[in-house]
Amino acid sequence: EPEVTQTPSHQVTQMGQEVILRCVPISNHLYFYWYRQILGQKVEFLVSFYNNEISEKSEIFDDQFSVERPDGSNFTLKIRSTKLEDSAMYFCASSAPRASSYNSPLHFGNGTRLTVT
Amino acid sequence: QKEVEQDPGPLSVPEGAIVSLNCTYSNSAFQYFMWYRQYSRKGPELLMYTYSSGNKEDGRFTAQVDKSSKYISLFIRDSQPSDSATYLCAMSARGGSNYKLTFGKGTLLTVNP
Repeated sequence: EPEVTQTPSHQVTQMGQEVILRCVPISNHLYFYWYRQILGQKVEFLVSFYNNEISEKSEIFDDQFSVERPDGSNFTLKIRSTKLEDSAMYFCASSAPRASSYNSPLHFGNGTRLTVT
Repeated sequence: QKEVEQDPGPLSVPEGAIVSLNCTYSNSAFQYFMWYRQYSRKGPELLMYTYSSGNKEDGRFTAQVDKSSKYISLFIRDSQPSDSATYLCAMSARGGSNYKLTFGKGTLLTVNP
């Protein structure tokens, strides 16, 4: 079964450094997302991306965050200047184009655990 | 009132038991309801997906949505130790392809052999 893959599985960085989290969505999917989960808290929506532009973003997704689809397969999340509170699991997800059925929900990767020290 | 509320448990049951997991929500715009299973240090894995009110069954899993009560449930029959995980409810006001999911906090389930 096709899956969303994320790299690295764990990233440790120092406060103030830039990090790029990488994702390869399912190949025929057109919508891409980033969610995050701070330890012990809910999974939270960050941003959705379609047709090479942001569709929607949450209040968490401030100017320190950016997303990009640099080629036909990768989808990246960049945090420009990391803060301690950015430490979390970051999940990439993708979903299919609108289909005749409703069975096209989000499929998540296994996440990148970001630790900011 | 929180948008989606889910009892975090933990819930511990013997193997073979019927498990009932629930979420309540406040946003009447939610139309699409999902249950995800999350193993430790893994991503959410989709279990069930329903639109609007009603029941949906898939093997040992049954999802119920009662929009009038703003209440959704997941039932697991003949629970197995491999069902031990955190179960997340999630919902969205829109579906098709462009989702913005709102999650519950998750219920930690342990099925004891």
